[in-house]
Amino acid sequence: AQKVTQAQTEISVVEKEDVTLDCVYETRDTTYYLFWYKQPPSGELVFLIRRNSFDEQNEISGRYSWNFQKSTSSFNFTITASQVVDSAVYFCALSEANTGFQKLVFGTGTRLLVSP
Amino acid sequence: KAGVTQTPRYLIKTRGQQVTLSCSPISGHRSVSWYQQTPGQGLQFLFEYFSETQRNKGNFPGRFSGRQFSNSRSEMNVSTLELGDSALYLCASSLVQTGGELFFGEGSRLTVL
Repeated sequence: AQKVTQAQTEISVVEKEDVTLDCVYETRDTTYYLFWYKQPPSGELVFLIRRNSFDEQNEISGRYSWNFQKSTSSFNFTITASQVVDSAVYFCALSEANTGFQKLVFGTGTRLLVSP
Repeated sequence: KAGVTQTPRYLIKTRGQQVTLSCSPISGHRSVSWYQQTPGQGLQFLFEYFSETQRNKGNFPGRFSGRQFSNSRSEMNVSTLELGDSALYLCASSLVQTGGELFFGEGSRLTVL
């Protein structure tokens, strides 16, 4: 069965600190996608990144970086030099070929609070 | 280009009533998915439509239904509302059905009294 675990419920940091959000997933499928979404108070889920199961390359996009490790079933997300605007709830999600790629299974989310 | 548009943004209903929520996907997107978000259950997949056909369904009772029109716009309906149906209902659209990014709207917040 597919499952996504975000063990960190809430993280508080001071601006300019680096922060890593953890995501551990479970799947029996060999073909799957992993996602990170950001949800600000407005409610809209903002797409951040998608990785497929065959691409373990880490990725950096500005202050954001992602570490995908199939050996540990983890897909962690790091924000470097955090800013107040980064405050939001972050969700990790998984979709599989077997159950349909548009059916995302989400983790419970990590609330990030960045204070000035 | 315009994002995913959901209407209404907020609504209040009473138990036993029914509700219809609307979603207009990004232009050119043919796949539309619906999710329910509650504090207790988190984000849960409701169903997905592609080319007017339901392609996938989550584990929700038959009171939850949906449809997609030829212009890709989608509606979801909840009949015989229960208190537990109070939630943020999010619609997402995707260009393709095979693992493309899902772009979400701001949601429709339903309160059932």
